[in-house]
Amino acid sequence: DIQLTQSPSSVSASVGDRVTITCRASQGIRTWLAWYQQKPGKAPNLLIFAASSLQTGVPSRFSGSGSGTDFTLTISSLQPEDFATYYCQQANSFPWTFGQGTKVEIK
Amino acid sequence: QVQLVQSGAEVKKPGASVKVSCKASGYTFTSWVRQAPGQGLEWMGWIGAANNNTKYSEKLQGRVTMTTDTSTTTVYMELRSLTSDDTAVYYCARMRMAARTFELWGQGTLVTVSS
Repeated sequence: DIQLTQSPSSVSASVGDRVTITCRASQGIRTWLAWYQQKPGKAPNLLIFAASSLQTGVPSRFSGSGSGTDFTLTISSLQPEDFATYYCQQANSFPWTFGQGTKVEIK
Repeated sequence: QVQLVQSGAEVKKPGASVKVSCKASGYTFTSWVRQAPGQGLEWMGWIGAANNNTKYSEKLQGRVTMTTDTSTTTVYMELRSLTSDDTAVYYCARMRMAARTFELWGQGTLVTVSS
């Protein structure tokens, strides 16, 4: 199975900060990577697909980049509603897998 | 507004089976993803509505079955031989197969396995 390792596991940040989360795959996954946001008690919400494509309706402060084994999710200016846990997910090969999550907390 | 509506919470004893439903409005592909308490996300498999094609995680192969009822546009996930490790929130999710992503999620169904 392809392992996805996210870093950091948690980050404390303030409103307006730029936040970057990385996701490293144990083997190359081309650009078959997505990012999701999950708030407590809620289902995940798709932010980015194909490594860098913004899902319809998602604010432009979210962006993704990378290919192969190294990927990043960037929030350019953190907003109060962005405090949540973020997961990467690969779909290059079965079983599709998720990273362990990165919790973005209020500083 | 388009949404996926799942069945309610379940409590099961070890060794039992559970069947969770997801009214999916006829989407082409639906995946199931589960999340144990305080843990991350685990993909379980997907089913195609048109021909009932399925793809399951090998970890669950033999214990999980996904089916569709096109007359009611409902997708089902049955998990058998439950253990405490199966205690989780189970989500159905509409897939965008071209991007292999989960673009719309149900509200989740808590399945608790306890003696």
